[in-house]
Amino acid sequence: NAGVTQTPKFQVLKTGQSMTLQCAQDMNHNSMYWYRQDPGMGLRLIYYSASEGTTDKGEVPNGYNVSRLNKREFSLRLESAAPSQTSVYFCASSATGGEFGGYTFGSGTRLTVV
Amino acid sequence: SQQGEEDPQALSIQEGENATMNCSYKTSINNLQWYRQNSGRGLVHLILIRSNEREKHSGRLRVTLDTSKKSSSLLITASRAADTASYFCATEPDSNYQLIWGAGTKLIIKP
Repeated sequence: NAGVTQTPKFQVLKTGQSMTLQCAQDMNHNSMYWYRQDPGMGLRLIYYSASEGTTDKGEVPNGYNVSRLNKREFSLRLESAAPSQTSVYFCASSATGGEFGGYTFGSGTRLTVV
Repeated sequence: SQQGEEDPQALSIQEGENATMNCSYKTSINNLQWYRQNSGRGLVHLILIRSNEREKHSGRLRVTLDTSKKSSSLLITASRAADTASYFCATEPDSNYQLIWGAGTKLIIKP
């Protein structure tokens, strides 16, 4: 089925460890996004990529890096995980701006940092 | 920074009743979107309403937008147990196209 695929679905890290969250979309969307969702809060944008070859910081970029590998793939890297990064991470994609049909989300990665 | 604020934070109704959720925002927008999130899952896009539209329908969903009051409402008619989920509004400011999200309304439909 067409959509956004995230891996892994669950991950437990020790403080200071690093990891990369993978995201791929097969909807031929130009824009891709990484969000985190914490209890009782809406989604907060970490980084986004308006088009292949570009990335920009969102609201909460500290502690993260991203790579737009090609049009399909957008990865999120935690270089040195901290307990404050315990969260659910969502990748999303959209036709430019989301004006046409909104955003399509992956099923999320539940990350716990101990 | 959160632009959208949903009201109420939680809503519990009987199956078959109508559910209304509200969203307020702060800045001028290009469009406003509603999403549903089932527990532990990703968000699903429900409906988008543009700033020059006042009302939009999709199946049992009805969305209104009042740009003068910077508010929107989502009405779900004839609710079903499967409608149990969290509902989020997201606004696209006219200064850029990054969505800004509210904290959501948790809707519980009692059988």
